[in-house]
Amino acid sequence: EAQVTQNPRYLITVTGKKLTVTCSQNMNHEYMSWYRQDPGLGLRQIYYSMNVEVTDKGDVPEGYKVSRKEKRNFPLILESPSPNQTSLYFCASSKASGRTDTQYFGPGTRLTVL
Amino acid sequence: QQQVKQSPQSLIVQKGGISIINCAYENTAFDYFPWYQQFPGKGPALLIAIRPDVSEKKEGRFTISFNKSAKQFSLHIMDSQPGDSATYFCAASKSPSGSRLTFGEGTQLTVNP
Repeated sequence: EAQVTQNPRYLITVTGKKLTVTCSQNMNHEYMSWYRQDPGLGLRQIYYSMNVEVTDKGDVPEGYKVSRKEKRNFPLILESPSPNQTSLYFCASSKASGRTDTQYFGPGTRLTVL
Repeated sequence: QQQVKQSPQSLIVQKGGISIINCAYENTAFDYFPWYQQFPGKGPALLIAIRPDVSEKKEGRFTISFNKSAKQFSLHIMDSQPGDSATYFCAASKSPSGSRLTFGEGTQLTVNP
């Protein structure tokens, strides 16, 4: 089954404790992105990657890091989480071809930073 | 600053009625306008999308209307059903990249039986 998976689905942590949220896709997509969803703000892009070893900042990159060492994986790293990073996070992937820009989203990771 | 503005924030419609959600954008370089549907506990999923070379696109009960001069587009859900109750997001991006979407704030639609 074609899908984007994220782990963990739920995470409660404390300020300053480094954490990683994993994302993996099995569709051989070139593009991968991370978004955060907050009430009243919609989804905002944190980072995106257009291929292996190619990453760039989205609209709200502060406090986050990413890496793309393999095509299928795109982990999101919070080196020193703060309470304002409490949010619902989504990973997405899409294919780099033609005029089809459909992004496929994972199920989300709900993060609480105390 | 929100580049894509969406309204209303919430919408309640009776079964069989028409649901209308509106979006306005600022960046004239945007040339791809999708709508995503999100059910509770799930990630958003593409519902329907339009490019500015057409003014309307219909897929089943869902229609996108696009007004390039006004920089506005809207989603119409005909014969709304309780199963349509979800959060809807409009979005916009610049081709050819499929990686960068700018989303609206979202509309929570409730269709009463």
